[in-house]
Amino acid sequence: NAGVTQTPKFRVLKTGQSMTLLCAQDMNHEYMYWYRQDPGMGLRLIHYSVGEGTTAKGEVPDGYNVSRLKKQNFLLGLESAAPSQTSVYFCASSRQYLLAGKNIQYFGAGTRLSVL
Amino acid sequence: EDQVTQSPEALRLQEGESSSLNCSYTVSGLRGLFWYRQDPGKGPEFLFTLYSAGEEKEKERLKATLTKKESFLHITAPKPEDSATYLCAVQAERDDKIIFGKGTRLHILP
Repeated sequence: NAGVTQTPKFRVLKTGQSMTLLCAQDMNHEYMYWYRQDPGMGLRLIHYSVGEGTTAKGEVPDGYNVSRLKKQNFLLGLESAAPSQTSVYFCASSRQYLLAGKNIQYFGAGTRLSVL
Repeated sequence: EDQVTQSPEALRLQEGESSSLNCSYTVSGLRGLFWYRQDPGKGPEFLFTLYSAGEEKEKERLKATLTKKESFLHITAPKPEDSATYLCAVQAERDDKIIFGKGTRLHILP
């Protein structure tokens, strides 16, 4: 009964390094999302996907790239990390609205990233 | 631009002291409004979805209501275990984006 799994849970990067955050869901959800959460800023949408092979920009997409090659996985990439990307990153998934009617988002436990 | 504003930012209540949290929103075509609870160090956990003005949902000591411009989360006779950050979010019909407010940190004193 895993739900949404994020890896890694913690990471420290140096400025300019790259990394990929992995989100995996086992609920056969169509929609997946990446958010960042900073003190006083709430959850801000980075990118999202409404289906396999599709991605779209959210509120704060700059400096990030995403891919959804498989329905169950949503990858968030940082090509050249900057200190401003220090944050807690959350992945979420949900069913397609028209199919489910409720569109509840299920969240992972988060990835805490520090960029020095 | 779609926006979600929550108030107050923080709220301290005595155990048993009822109150309400506010979520005001502007969105072009509301697909749904969501309430989540977030405990420290964890991801948000779903509470309610509201779809149309006049709708109400209840769960234990929590009751969510919706108008055309805002939603309220009413907490009746809260207990210390209700302490958490409560998040409001809206989804737009136009693009299915889900946008969150900054949350209200609720602390219930025993």
